[in-house]
Amino acid sequence: NAGVMQNPRHLVRRRGQEARLRCSPVKGHSHVYWYRQLPEEGLKFMVYLQKENIIDESGMPKERFSAEFPKEGPSILRIQQVVRGDSAAYFCASSADRAEQYFGPGTRLTVT
Amino acid sequence: GENVEQHPSTLSVQEGDSAVIKCTYSDSASNYFPWYKQELGKGPQLIIDIRSNVGEKKDQRIAVTLNKTAKHFSLHITETQPEDSAVYFCAASVGGGADGLTFGKGTHLIIQP
Repeated sequence: NAGVMQNPRHLVRRRGQEARLRCSPVKGHSHVYWYRQLPEEGLKFMVYLQKENIIDESGMPKERFSAEFPKEGPSILRIQQVVRGDSAAYFCASSADRAEQYFGPGTRLTVT
Repeated sequence: GENVEQHPSTLSVQEGDSAVIKCTYSDSASNYFPWYKQELGKGPQLIIDIRSNVGEKKDQRIAVTLNKTAKHFSLHITETQPEDSAVYFCAASVGGGADGLTFGKGTHLIIQP
């Protein structure tokens, strides 16, 4: 009974490179959420997806960031041309329909 | 949009004593209030939640109370143990949890032996 899986757990990128973060939800969950956590701060909502659809992307920066949740495979959060300010922990959560959100272990992105 | 304030930012209690963490929210349409525990280097773990149709919920040593009129909710931990040491986050949602959660900034709970 696996929980939410995220990989990689740690990712180092140089400024200007691309970062791809993957999230596999709990089996049977069709709702995926991405959050960002800066050091010593709470989590900030970025985007909410259901299979093949973006439901709410109000928390995601308009440029360089994109997310998808294809019919098959994990959800992907993609950050293009990373900058130092993108360094943070990125968490994925999943839920069944109108139910609790369960979080993965996170991906810690460091931009050098 | 919703704004969640959480106090205190740090709370130190003696082992065996009770701990209370308080949150206020701004959007009266919020109807779902979960609490998460986060240990160092790990993801947030849901420990208890409450929906707006009830005023209190309890699960063993943990309880949550909700005052919709005052727009605040609290986490109560009784008989604290060393393993309760962690950062605790409150959150609020207007969509019953089926939308992005708005989190407080967290409370670092320290259990003194």
